[in-house]
Amino acid sequence: EPEVTQTPSHQVTQMGQEVILRCVPISNHLYFYWYRQILGQKVEFLVSFYNNEISEKSEIFDDQFSVERPDGSNFTLKIRSTKLEDSAMYFCASNKRKQGLNSPLHFGNGTRLTVT
Amino acid sequence: AQSVTQPDIHITVSEGASLELRCNYSYGATPYLFWYVQSPGQGLQLLLKYFSGDTLVQGIKGFEAEFKRSQSSFNLRKPSVHWSDAAEYFCAVGPYNTDKLIFGTGTRLQVFP
Repeated sequence: EPEVTQTPSHQVTQMGQEVILRCVPISNHLYFYWYRQILGQKVEFLVSFYNNEISEKSEIFDDQFSVERPDGSNFTLKIRSTKLEDSAMYFCASNKRKQGLNSPLHFGNGTRLTVT
Repeated sequence: AQSVTQPDIHITVSEGASLELRCNYSYGATPYLFWYVQSPGQGLQLLLKYFSGDTLVQGIKGFEAEFKRSQSSFNLRKPSVHWSDAAEYFCAVGPYNTDKLIFGTGTRLQVFP
């Protein structure tokens, strides 16, 4: 069964550095998402992306965050200047059609980001 | 505001015992409801979903969940737990007018032999 793949599985970065988290969604999917889970807390929606633009974002997704689909296969999340509180597990997800039309999200295994 | 509550942070059961994980949601209408499981080092795997129709839904790995509108609940059940079911379980709500899932804080299931 096709999978959403995320790289790297674990990334350590210093505060203030830029980081790019990479995701390869399932190939025929059109809707893409980032979620994050701070240790011990709930999984939180960050952003959804469709047709090369952000369709919805949460209040967490401020100017430090950006997403991009640079080619036909990758979907990236960039954090411009990392803060300690950005340390979390970041999940990428994709969907063939818009959520709710009997179409659940497919999640990747996540990238654990540690900001020191 | 929309929210999901999983009141049990940690549950321990013996292998072969029955299991019920609780989930309550707060939403103005009937949302889409999901249960996901996360094994250590793994991503979120969909166990089952409810969109409409029959309020008792069957999922993978022998799990089922029942939607009760009057109680705003969507509890997950399994009649006989296996050691491989040890994982973190997340209930989630998908409001029909948005593109996001709202997750509960999760319930960690430990299974003793």
